[in-house]
Amino acid sequence: GEDVEQSLFLSVREGDSSVINCTYTDSSSTYLYWYKQEPGAGLQLLTYIFSNMDMKQDQRLTVLLNKKDKHLSLRIADTQTGDSAIYFCAEVTSGTYKYIFGTGTRLKVLA
Amino acid sequence: DGGITQSPKYLFRKEGQNVTLSCEQNLNHDAMYWYRQDPGQGLRLIYYSQIVNDFQKGDIAEGYSVSREKKESFPLTVTSAQKNPTAFYLCASSILRQGRTGELFFGEGSRLTVL
Repeated sequence: GEDVEQSLFLSVREGDSSVINCTYTDSSSTYLYWYKQEPGAGLQLLTYIFSNMDMKQDQRLTVLLNKKDKHLSLRIADTQTGDSAIYFCAEVTSGTYKYIFGTGTRLKVLA
Repeated sequence: DGGITQSPKYLFRKEGQNVTLSCEQNLNHDAMYWYRQDPGQGLRLIYYSQIVNDFQKGDIAEGYSVSREKKESFPLTVTSAQKNPTAFYLCASSILRQGRTGELFFGEGSRLTVL
């Protein structure tokens, strides 16, 4: 079935790296997204990766994709208090309109 | 600036009343979506529309209705038939380019509370 799973909470100290994990189920041509949601706001796109890629880096963000295990991770280097938010991973099969979202991981950054 | 505008941001409703949430986009996107967000859960799709005058039910359409008379607008009506309407509602849009489904762009959300 279609399911995207994430752990619910993560707590890190300011300056450390954060790693948020996600597992997905769709094995077809897929785009995988990471979104950030601050309290009371909509979701903002952070980055995305296509299912034929292994890694993507964008400034402090690194996305790793393990296709065999259908495991996706988002690493935030030098985590800051402004990174405290809920992070959602999502998948969509290319050419369709059906996005599947994970439950979201609440990241808390301790000063 | 291009974007998606949702209104109102906060809405209170008495039981038995219908309410309509507005969603307008100026991104020239073909597809628009309504999601419902509850604490500790992912986003659940209520309705989506790929083109004007056409829309499809999502996973939790019961108790909701939509219209798509203009490309820019996709209002959501929460009817009295919706048993548990208190939630955060998110509107989004996307584009399909060269066979690739584009990322979703989200509005700032509308929080509906039933008194």
